[in-house]
Order: sequence, then structure tokens, then C-alpha cells
Amino acid sequence: EDQVTQSPEALRLQEGESSSLNCSYTVSGLRGLFWYRQDPGKGPEFLFTLYSAGEEKEKERLKATLTKKESFLHITAPKPEDSATYLCAVPGTGANNLFFGTGTRLTVIP
Amino acid sequence: GAVVSQHPSRVICKSGTSVKIECRSLDFQATTMFWYRQFPKQSLMLMATSNEGSKATYEQGVEKDKFLINHASLTLSTLTVTSAHPEDSSFYICSATSTGLYEQYFGPGTRLTVT
Repeated sequence: EDQVTQSPEALRLQEGESSSLNCSYTVSGLRGLFWYRQDPGKGPEFLFTLYSAGEEKEKERLKATLTKKESFLHITAPKPEDSATYLCAVPGTGANNLFFGTGTRLTVIP
Repeated sequence: GAVVSQHPSRVICKSGTSVKIECRSLDFQATTMFWYRQFPKQSLMLMATSNEGSKATYEQGVEKDKFLINHASLTLSTLTVTSAHPEDSSFYICSATSTGLYEQYFGPGTRLTVT
């Protein structure tokens, strides 16, 4: 059964304190892993797509990496404006819809 | 690029009335659009998938007669909540994708409150 699990559920960091968010997935034939950022009361904002193990992508203070079983979203020297819920998702087996994890709610304290 | 808009952003309606929410892809042709529902502090729950010119495919447990979806063109999909009740109050979000792509681009969401 297709499954996406994110951890931790919530994370509080001091400004400048780097950390990583985890996304573990179980799906037959991975056709991409997607990271989104969602601010309260808004729709998710697309961040990255990763397609194969070993792939890495960066955007400002964020770097996403992918292995055969999980993906990490590394946040380097975060700022308060990085506070948001980060969602990862994978396409379901034989479908074009996305299975979303429950997200990690990140709070960066000044 | 890849901008998706939703209208309205907020709507309050009385119980028993119907509400229509529009989802538009502004700078690309959306062959497939998705409608999600999100409760506070929970993840996205897929309600239905619609392909342009075809009937929508609803997820298990979603009432197709209550949540009417129309995807009449490559840039517009609508969700109509019929005979709305307070339990339909939620945050509704649409997303869109193009042929052959799995990346979905999301609209800003619509907050529906049924009184």
C-alpha cells in the first residue's frame, strides 16, 4: 500500500539553528517525490521535485535529498520567515494523484 | 509561471444554499485538476480528480451529488457545494497539472463557512 510518513510532526528551532525534516515513502515505482510549503490559510507552494536516489535540489536555505526509501529537507540557518508546514507527496501507484504526508509544522523563533 | 487562482477566497453562506468555487490555471493548460479539502491542522484530503471534458472521479466517501465538479475547459474547473450544511465548512483547495506531469500547482484556497 502506498504510504508517506513525515517526521517530526512539529519542530521548533532557534533562528540560525539548522535541522532536517524527514519523509519516508512506500510506493511501487517512484515517479517523483514532491516537497511543498504551506502557510496557514493558504494553498501549498511547490518547492522541489526529486526523481531518483542521490538527487539533490536547493533553493535558498532549503536543500532536498532523496534515497530509495526517504527524502530529507535540510534547512540551513533558518529564519522566522521559514516558519510553515512542509509537506511531501508522491504519486500513487498507477495514478496521477498525489499522496501527501501529514506534514511537519516548523516554527523558527527569532 | 504555473499560477493557479481560486475565487472566492472566502465565502459565508446559509445552510441549504449552494456555493460555487472557481479554479483557474492562469498561464498553462491544465489537463487535470484536483480538488482537496483540508481541516485545521490536518493534511490535504483529495476529494476528486477531473480531466478536461470528462466526468470527475471522486474518492471513496465523497458524495458526487453534493460536490459537483465541472472541468469544461483547459483553464477552468468549478466545484459546487450543493445544499451546504455546517459540516461542509472547511478549506477547499484546487490544484492543476499538465499532461504527463505529476507536479501539481495549487490555488490559494477557499474558506467556506456555512451558518
